[in-house]
Amino acid sequence: DIQMTQSPSSLSASVGDRVTISCRASQIIASHLNWYQQKPGKPPKLLIFAASSLQSGVPSRFSASGSGTDFTLTITSLQPEDSATYYCQQSYRAPPPFGQGTKLEIK
Amino acid sequence: EVQLVESGGGLVKPGGSLRLSCAASGFSFSSYSMNWVRQAPGKGLEWVSSISSSSGSIYYADSVKGRFTISRDNAKKSLSLQMNNLRAEDTALYYCARGSYSSSWLFEYWGQGTLVTVSS
Repeated sequence: DIQMTQSPSSLSASVGDRVTISCRASQIIASHLNWYQQKPGKPPKLLIFAASSLQSGVPSRFSASGSGTDFTLTITSLQPEDSATYYCQQSYRAPPPFGQGTKLEIK
Repeated sequence: EVQLVESGGGLVKPGGSLRLSCAASGFSFSSYSMNWVRQAPGKGLEWVSSISSSSGSIYYADSVKGRFTISRDNAKKSLSLQMNNLRAEDTALYYCARGSYSSSWLFEYWGQGTLVTVSS
């Protein structure tokens, strides 16, 4: 099975900062990598699919890149509402695991 | 508007059974794969099971294989998860999630979840 490893597990940043979250797959998954945002008490929300495609309605300060095994999610000009936990997930083949999550705190 | 509404959660003793349901609306249910994803309290997301649009392909996480059964009724636009021989580690919020048109494993829409607690 493919394993997904995210780093860091948590980070703290200020409004206006740029942050980057990394995700590594244990096997090559081409561009079959998705990013989700989850706020407390809410279901996850799809942010990015196919490694770099922004889901409709997601602010353009969110971007992502990568292919193969290494991927990154970048948030520029951080906003207070970006405080959440972010998960990567591979959709290359079953089982489609999630990374362990990165909790982003806004100072 | 796509809506997914889960139900059927509750408190059950170890070894017991529970059946979760997910009512779908706002899209052509029979055209999309459906999934269950769970989240234990304070923990991350864990994919549980998937079923293709026609029920021809079904997948389970190793942690639930042999105990859980996923099914769907396209006429009723409903997804189900029969959970047997429940364990304490099955305690979680269970989400119903719709696959995308291009990928069964891309979870485009999520319900609000139904809580399952396994405890004596």
